[in-house]
Amino acid sequence: DIQMTQSPSSLSASVGDRVTITCRASQTISTYLNWYQEKPGKGPKLLIYGASNLQSGVPSRFSGSGSGTDFTLTISSLQPGDFGTYYCQQSYSKPWTFGQGTKVEIK
Amino acid sequence: EVQLLESGGGLGQPGGSLRLSCAASGFTFSIYAMSWVRQAPGKGLEWVSTIFGSGGSTYYSDSVKGRFTISRDNSKNTLYLQMNSLRAEDTAVYYCARDQDYYDSSGLVFRAFDPWGQGTLVTVSS
Repeated sequence: DIQMTQSPSSLSASVGDRVTITCRASQTISTYLNWYQEKPGKGPKLLIYGASNLQSGVPSRFSGSGSGTDFTLTISSLQPGDFGTYYCQQSYSKPWTFGQGTKVEIK
Repeated sequence: EVQLLESGGGLGQPGGSLRLSCAASGFTFSIYAMSWVRQAPGKGLEWVSTIFGSGGSTYYSDSVKGRFTISRDNSKNTLYLQMNSLRAEDTAVYYCARDQDYYDSSGLVFRAFDPWGQGTLVTVSS
């Protein structure tokens, strides 16, 4: 199975800050990497697919980059509604696996 | 509007059974693969199972293989998860999700879970 490792596990940032979350795969997955945002009491929401493609309706302050084993999710200017937990997920091979999550809090 | 609504969660006995349902609306259910993903309390997300649109192909994580069965009724736009031989470690919120294919500018296809339901809680305890 492909192991996905995210860092940091949590962060606290101020509105307007630039936030970066990293995700590392245990083997190369090309760009088969998705990012999701989860908020309490709701199912996760797809933000980015194919490592860098913004899902329709997702604000442009979200961006993704990377290929191979190392990936990054960036929020260019953190907004109050961006709190939640962010997960990466590889869609390269089954079993589909997720990172352990990064909890983002607003200071 | 695309909607997924899970039901059937609750308290299950160790060694017992539960059946989850996921009612889909707002899209042509029969042409999409569908999946179950779970989240144990305080833990991350874990893919559980996937079924193709026709129902002919199914896939399971090793942790549930031989105990859980995924199925679908395309006439009712409903996805199911039959959970047998329940264990304490099956305690989790269970989400159903649509397997959605996306194409980038170069024509590569990427699959993601989109959208997700709101989840149903399964608690396995005596």
